[in-house]
Amino acid sequence: EAGVTQFPSHSVIEKGQTVTLRCDPISGHDNLYWYRRVMGKEIKFLLHFVKESKQDESGMPNNRFLAERTGGTYSTLKVQPAELEDSGVYFCASSQRMGLLSDEQFFGPGTRLTVL
Amino acid sequence: GESVGLHLPTLSVQEGDNSIINCAYSNSASDYFIWYKQESGKGPQFIIDIRSNMDKRQGQRVTVLLNKTVKHLSLQIAATQPGDSAVYFCADTGYSTLTFGKGTMLLVSP
Repeated sequence: EAGVTQFPSHSVIEKGQTVTLRCDPISGHDNLYWYRRVMGKEIKFLLHFVKESKQDESGMPNNRFLAERTGGTYSTLKVQPAELEDSGVYFCASSQRMGLLSDEQFFGPGTRLTVL
Repeated sequence: GESVGLHLPTLSVQEGDNSIINCAYSNSASDYFIWYKQESGKGPQFIIDIRSNMDKRQGQRVTVLLNKTVKHLSLQIAATQPGDSAVYFCADTGYSTLTFGKGTMLLVSP
């Protein structure tokens, strides 16, 4: 079974440009999460989808970030316009069930975003 | 959630030694904790978890200890191997989201 995949693996853009990150969760997983790790800091939660609905977006830093999950399958995270402080590694994770503490989140390899 | 932090940013050990990675958490209401391992170029991978009604849990070569009195969590790796070299994160989870600590890099030399 394929794991969580993310595309691209790396992205280098200039300040002010737009970047779209994609995440394909494990098939059948209703829950999809976005996290990011800024250099030297801890991994921070961004938002959580249950199917196509945003369950929790309390971690989204500002309105330059837009996440979608149309159809409840893959998800995209768009940053527009990108700023220097957006540089970091963006992780996606998926899990099968919500509300169960032992429901493991499976992480993708991450997308390393560099804003110049 | 509240922050979960780590005491040591880098831990260097010799192959065969036992490793101990520590983590302090601040949210006394946290009731479930997970240790993740992240290898270079990969995402965090689940290692072991523990609920707050336990103080110890063992896996294969790994043991997690929980001290709720001082809000401290540790990961013990027995007979550390070069393949254990990675960044280790502790995390606590509320209903669905994870709150991570900063991570400890474990370096294992042969």
